[in-house]
Amino acid sequence: AQSVSQHNHHVILSEAASLELGCNYSYGGTVNLFWYVQYPGQHLQLLLKYFSGDPLVKGIKGFEAEFIKSKFSFNLRKPSVQWSDTAEYFCAVNARFSGGYNKLIFGAGTRLAVHP
Amino acid sequence: EPEVTQTPSHQVTQMGQEVILRCVPISNHLYFYWYRQILGQKVEFLVSFYNNEISEKSEIFDDQFSVERPDGSNFTLKIRSTKLEDSAMYFCASSLIGTSGYNEQFFGPGTRLTVL
Repeated sequence: AQSVSQHNHHVILSEAASLELGCNYSYGGTVNLFWYVQYPGQHLQLLLKYFSGDPLVKGIKGFEAEFIKSKFSFNLRKPSVQWSDTAEYFCAVNARFSGGYNKLIFGAGTRLAVHP
Repeated sequence: EPEVTQTPSHQVTQMGQEVILRCVPISNHLYFYWYRQILGQKVEFLVSFYNNEISEKSEIFDDQFSVERPDGSNFTLKIRSTKLEDSAMYFCASSLIGTSGYNEQFFGPGTRLTVL
């Protein structure tokens, strides 16, 4: 069965610090990979996605993630965080095969708090 | 930009009552999903729906749950007899996919269900 592990449950940073959130998944086949963000009181928003091609993907708001197939990882990074990045971040995976009804498997989430 | 909408934003109900949560997916999307997030826990897949039938469901989606697309635009989740443990945020999502297997799901803002 597919599973997703996010190693950091809570992260506290000061503004301008660099961020890296870990995500590992277990699935032997081809996958689509996602990072979603949930700002306080808001719904899930897609930050970035990896389907194929360049393993370094860039998303909105200066975020990027690198897919390392050999490590089954898809870590999220941002060189300099802002107070407005305070949110919960979810890594998600689904198996890629023909047909569109592939469920997303989410990690437990990482709560990021950025202090001014 | 088209978006998934959900109503109501908050539903309070008594244990044992039936509730219907409503979603309007993005109009040209073909695949529909329900997820839930119990407070403080990860987002969990409930069910996927395509071509007017359930494609996949999780072990959470027992006989108390049902889904329907009654009129070609709405997508509903019914819980027949609510339990305290059904209290959660329920997210609807939809996706448009061809045969490539790429699947980006767009999420609605959620309905917070509180069972008393």
